[in-house]
Amino acid sequence: QKEVEQDPGPLSVPEGAIVSLNCTYSNSAFQYFMWYRQYSRKGPELLMYTYSSGNKEDGRFTAQVDKSSKYISLFIRDSQPSDSATYLCAMTLMDSSYKLIFGSGTRLLVRP
Amino acid sequence: DGGITQSPKYLFRKEGQNVTLSCEQNLNHDAMYWYRQDPGQGLRLIYYSQIVNDFQKGDIAEGYSVSREKKESFPLTVTSAQKNPTAFYLCASSFAYEQYFGPGTRLTVT
Repeated sequence: QKEVEQDPGPLSVPEGAIVSLNCTYSNSAFQYFMWYRQYSRKGPELLMYTYSSGNKEDGRFTAQVDKSSKYISLFIRDSQPSDSATYLCAMTLMDSSYKLIFGSGTRLLVRP
Repeated sequence: DGGITQSPKYLFRKEGQNVTLSCEQNLNHDAMYWYRQDPGQGLRLIYYSQIVNDFQKGDIAEGYSVSREKKESFPLTVTSAQKNPTAFYLCASSFAYEQYFGPGTRLTVT
């Protein structure tokens, strides 16, 4: 079993839809959670990060963490064709190594 | 203009040759990382360095080598011992837990 599980998709939605992207994890010691967006043939771009359970909002994006269920989500409101990309979740133990454990990514396609 | 640069963007090599991928950052970050990305497998950590002249193996270090002689630079050598070197290679740097990535180098070995 992988430490971080993420549905590979592809997830196809119409423009303007609310998108929900999710990751589950097995190690309850993970404390810091991140979402990256990766366009095709580009490096990942850090979108959001959060320490604690609950919600964090930034524009059209909301990151949600539920540590009791070991489940994190990224919501995208009013999705746009430019949001079409692969979304990677990542998490860390917050130890001295600074190592991140990544999910395999979910490919999102927003149709005009 | 701050950021991470990787060169070249595309690299082609014959089997049996060593090849070195460049990674430079001007973000003044202490830590740097190398990842490999294959389709459907996410990012896998090859090596990381938290300080100059020190580095540690990641999850898939076999067939790779690195050096960290300067804070700004963390080159990766893919040796002929790496059995499946064709992949997309990503370099990252961080001050704490948030890692920032370069544009990547796509290596093709035939």
